[in-house]
Amino acid sequence: DVVMTQTPVSLSLAIGQPASISCKSSQSLLGTSGKTFLNWILQRPGQSPKRLIYQVSKLYSEVPDRFSGSGSETEFTLKISRVEAEDLGVYYCWQGTHFPYTFGAGTKLELK
Amino acid sequence: QIQLVQSGPELKKPGESVKISCKASGYTFTNYGMYWVKQAPGQGLQYMGWINTETGKPTYADDFKGRFVFFLETSASTAYLQINNLKNEDMATYFCARGGAAWWGQGTLVTVSS
Repeated sequence: DVVMTQTPVSLSLAIGQPASISCKSSQSLLGTSGKTFLNWILQRPGQSPKRLIYQVSKLYSEVPDRFSGSGSETEFTLKISRVEAEDLGVYYCWQGTHFPYTFGAGTKLELK
Repeated sequence: QIQLVQSGPELKKPGESVKISCKASGYTFTNYGMYWVKQAPGQGLQYMGWINTETGKPTYADDFKGRFVFFLETSASTAYLQINNLKNEDMATYFCARGGAAWWGQGTLVTVSS
């Protein structure tokens, strides 16, 4: 199975600060279709996960543009330009290229 | 709007079975597969597999072969997860998610206790 390694495990940031989360996969996520199925989701406390980014860098329509995704092959990054209170929770990367799909262990964003 | 509404929490004894439902609305049910994801208490997310809502064919991740069953009631736009012969380690919140995981159910907590 593809192992997804997220760092850091946790982040403690003040409102307005930037955030960066790394996600590395044990094998390339570039699929035979030419697409890379690396996605990001956010699970706020006590809630189900919510979509953020798909195919590395494409934001879902409701996601604020302070979020961005980048990367290729095996190394990916989620960035938040300026953290807001509603951004707290656990961020997961997950890959949908190789079955079984796999999740990173999560990065917990806390407010300082 | 698109919604996935799951059935309520369950309390079961070891060895029993549980059936969790996931009712979809706001889109054509058979156009997207349905994923199932496990989240043990205080832990991360684990992909269990998916079911093709057009054909009804389930595909299980290795850790979920044997006691876990995905099936459909297509006429009701509903997907089901059944867990047989429950074990303590099955205690978790189970989520359904539309193919691509753009939409998630609210989760169903399964408690296993003698």
